[in-house]
Amino acid sequence: EVQLVESGGGLVKPGGSLRLSCAASGFTFSSYSMNWVRQPPGKGLEWVSSISTSSSYIYYADSMKGRFTISRDNANNSLYLQMNSLRVEDTAVYYCARFVGGYSAFDIWGQGTMVTVSS
Amino acid sequence: DIQMTQSPSTLSASVGDTVTITCRASQSISSWLAWYQQKPGKAPKLLIYKASSLENGVPSRFSGSGSGTEFTLTISSLQPDDFATYFCQQYNTYLYTFGQGTKLEIK
Repeated sequence: EVQLVESGGGLVKPGGSLRLSCAASGFTFSSYSMNWVRQPPGKGLEWVSSISTSSSYIYYADSMKGRFTISRDNANNSLYLQMNSLRVEDTAVYYCARFVGGYSAFDIWGQGTMVTVSS
Repeated sequence: DIQMTQSPSTLSASVGDTVTITCRASQSISSWLAWYQQKPGKAPKLLIYKASSLENGVPSRFSGSGSGTEFTLTISSLQPDDFATYFCQQYNTYLYTFGQGTKLEIK
């Protein structure tokens, strides 16, 4: 079964750091660009970051640049998001999602992990 | 950055109705538009990609159309399982933007 499973969410104070992980299974992880997408409670979806198959191309949404770092380990079928200098407005469910270039869409999503930034 | 404007934000309909949701892009995105369905507490599910292509396993009552800056998602003969929130998403080079969502409610 094709699956993405996120972990690493939790409660953190403003200015703190957190590292999210996403474990992939059931497909050739190294063949797909991977992304993080977030959703604040009761709000819409916001793309966070993307990483190409070999990590050669990495992109971030403007509000995340300089604070978040995306990475991947193809040998271990894992995607990561290092989040530093966290702000209250970063509170959200964070999803990892597989991007299909031929579709230009995200076809597989994890169940999400909740990040709460609060003092 | 390309902005996506979805309308309406809320839509009330009955089982068996046909509904249409619109998504407008602030500049042309050709056909690089996808639609997702999301239910409370769940991850989004891909319905339509490249504006009008139906994802595998998605019922044929879902259809998409449009190109350039205006796109529509149509759901024919609404079923109880269709009441959810729908998002459009555009792809332009390496940036992605979602619409703000349309909540489809039971009338």
